[in-house]
Amino acid sequence: AQKITQTQPGMFVQEKEAVTLDCTYDTSDPSYGLFWYKQPSSGEMIFLIYQGSYDQQNATEGRYSLNFQKARKSANLVISASQLGDSAMYFCAMREGREGSTLGRLYFGRGTQLTVWP
Amino acid sequence: KAGVTQTPRYLIKTRGQQVTLSCSPISGHRSVSWYQQTPGQGLQFLFEYFSETQRNKGNFPGRFSGRQFSNSRSEMNVSTLELGDSALYLCASSREGRIANIQYFGAGTRLSVL
Repeated sequence: AQKITQTQPGMFVQEKEAVTLDCTYDTSDPSYGLFWYKQPSSGEMIFLIYQGSYDQQNATEGRYSLNFQKARKSANLVISASQLGDSAMYFCAMREGREGSTLGRLYFGRGTQLTVWP
Repeated sequence: KAGVTQTPRYLIKTRGQQVTLSCSPISGHRSVSWYQQTPGQGLQFLFEYFSETQRNKGNFPGRFSGRQFSNSRSEMNVSTLELGDSALYLCASSREGRIANIQYFGAGTRLSVL
């Protein structure tokens, strides 16, 4: 089974509007972390935001927020006030393991290509 | 603070050759992970090193190997290259391999096998 599912291959949003990128995950570990990365056409993966499974509040980083719904196993990324520079591929990722684990592996989804138009 | 540095950025090889890619992590980071990215398979985990020890390995053939040095720099090697090895190879570093430790990625090495 897929650990991370991103069902939107592509999304379009007008500049200054908000957009939500979907992500669902699958794990039986009680402790895990969820990450979102942005990958522009240059190739570099840029970290955006992190949510721990025990975090009570949704994570926020500037214009990025993570809508964490644990019971539904979803971790959607919300980008507010989209900018032209937000056009890129966005990946949701998960790391499993109890706290203290030394395993660093990330599982990635297939990504969502976001296009922001003027 | 310098980010993760990967060299070379681009590489062209022919089938049967071998290749070595290098990754210098962020200063103070002891964990280095490698990923392969292709249009068909997406991002796949290759292996992770921590303090010169391989802690985790993905589902890749033995032609893919790696190592980490005492200064945390890492190299990965692919022997007997195949056309299907053409990909973007990404290296990521983090302080340790704990859940909350962010993995920061380099710009990648784009390998083309002809």
